Amino acid sequence: AQTVTQSQPEMSVQEAETVTLSCTYDTSESDYYLFWYKQPPSRQMILVIRQEAYKQQNATENRFSVNFQKAAKSFSLKISDSQLGDAAMYFCASQGGSEKLVFGKGTKLTVNP
Amino acid sequence: DVKVTQSSRYLVKRTGEKVFLECVQDMDHENMFWYRQDPGLGLRLIYFSYDVKMKEKGDIPEGYSVSREKKERFSLILESASTNQTSMYLCASSLVVAGAPRQYFGPGTRLTVT
Repeated sequence: AQTVTQSQPEMSVQEAETVTLSCTYDTSESDYYLFWYKQPPSRQMILVIRQEAYKQQNATENRFSVNFQKAAKSFSLKISDSQLGDAAMYFCASQGGSEKLVFGKGTKLTVNP
Repeated sequence: DVKVTQSSRYLVKRTGEKVFLECVQDMDHENMFWYRQDPGLGLRLIYFSYDVKMKEKGDIPEGYSVSREKKERFSLILESASTNQTSMYLCASSLVVAGAPRQYFGPGTRLTVT
């Protein structure tokens, strides 16, 4: 069975600063994917970034990047130059062996002006 | 752009009522999912479907059923709504993009059972 753990229920960051959201996971699959999803207040959940486990290079999407540590089963999200629009719930998720996603409990990110 | 729509954003029902939550996707995706989202618990999978008339139980199927008669539509049914089913319900559909799976979510239905 897969599990995903987000140990930070809430985080805050000053606008323009950098913040890192933590995620650890456990899976018995050898081939799997990891994701960060963003859910802004009262808005649709959208994919922020994804990582294929077989790729050693960390994924990057503009101001969002991940630190994927496969041996440690760690998958953190770094947001650089934080903007007010980054305020949201962030969910870490894993997928392996089937089409099902397993989600963490989420981290609520507040961006202070 | 992929569009996943849900029939209602907000719904209020009484205990014991039969409730239908509808989800429609416009991109011919094979797989569709129903999740329940509760504060502090994240998203939990209720049911998913990998083809028309095919369904599989997720982690918390008790008290729910689903129907998928057409590829684009996936319905979640609460046979007899109870107060502990008050929650946010999210529908998603998925396909493989550049060799990796990706789920697209609807806006959610906030259901209150009184």
